[in-house]
Amino acid sequence: DQQVKQNSPSLSVQEGRISILNCDYTNSMFDYFLWYKKYPAEGPTFLISISSIKDKNEDGRFTVFLNKSAKHLSLHIVPSQPGDSAVYFCAASGSSPRQLTFGSGTQLTVLP
Amino acid sequence: EAGVTQFPSHSVIEKGQTVTLRCDPISGHDNLYWYRRVMGKEIKFLLHFVKESKQDESGMPNNRFLAERTGGTYSTLKVQPAELEDSGVYFCASREQGTSPLHFGNGTRLTVT
Repeated sequence: DQQVKQNSPSLSVQEGRISILNCDYTNSMFDYFLWYKKYPAEGPTFLISISSIKDKNEDGRFTVFLNKSAKHLSLHIVPSQPGDSAVYFCAASGSSPRQLTFGSGTQLTVLP
Repeated sequence: EAGVTQFPSHSVIEKGQTVTLRCDPISGHDNLYWYRRVMGKEIKFLLHFVKESKQDESGMPNNRFLAERTGGTYSTLKVQPAELEDSGVYFCASREQGTSPLHFGNGTRLTVT
């Protein structure tokens, strides 16, 4: 039973446009959420995070939005660049234990 | 700063054989985690070390998997005997204390034939 779900296995976006990746979770005890990016043959790398006390966190071209009532978060990338093409994983954790629960990932392809 | 290092990068073994995966965390990181991704699905938690102690091993699939972290430095994950369903990519990650993000290694791709 997946507690973190990424229902879109893939997404294609034109360079310069906005990419929106979505994630839903079921465990109301989760209070910290992260996005990781993964290139082929590499491990996931941390991208951006958000605490449950916030509803938005921005870092350059990347913004994460959290809707606690809907148990939904999204990652916006604008403008999208070809180098952003990767698998994006949503992850969540509670206060105890602090291990991360991951979604199954969304393959983003940014077309030049 | 050297990242998390995993060895080997690939391993192909036959069903019934034994394989040992190694992880060297970032120096000074007390927290070490093992995760596994099977068949393009979600990355699943296996276990968590704090220094040499197993903090949480609730994700270990069965007793064919044995993880150790002697001296609180590098860690090994042994699969004995390996089964077909053990195939996947095994990731190791480490972090400092608190809520700092996990740093992942590049993973070991295990194929059991």
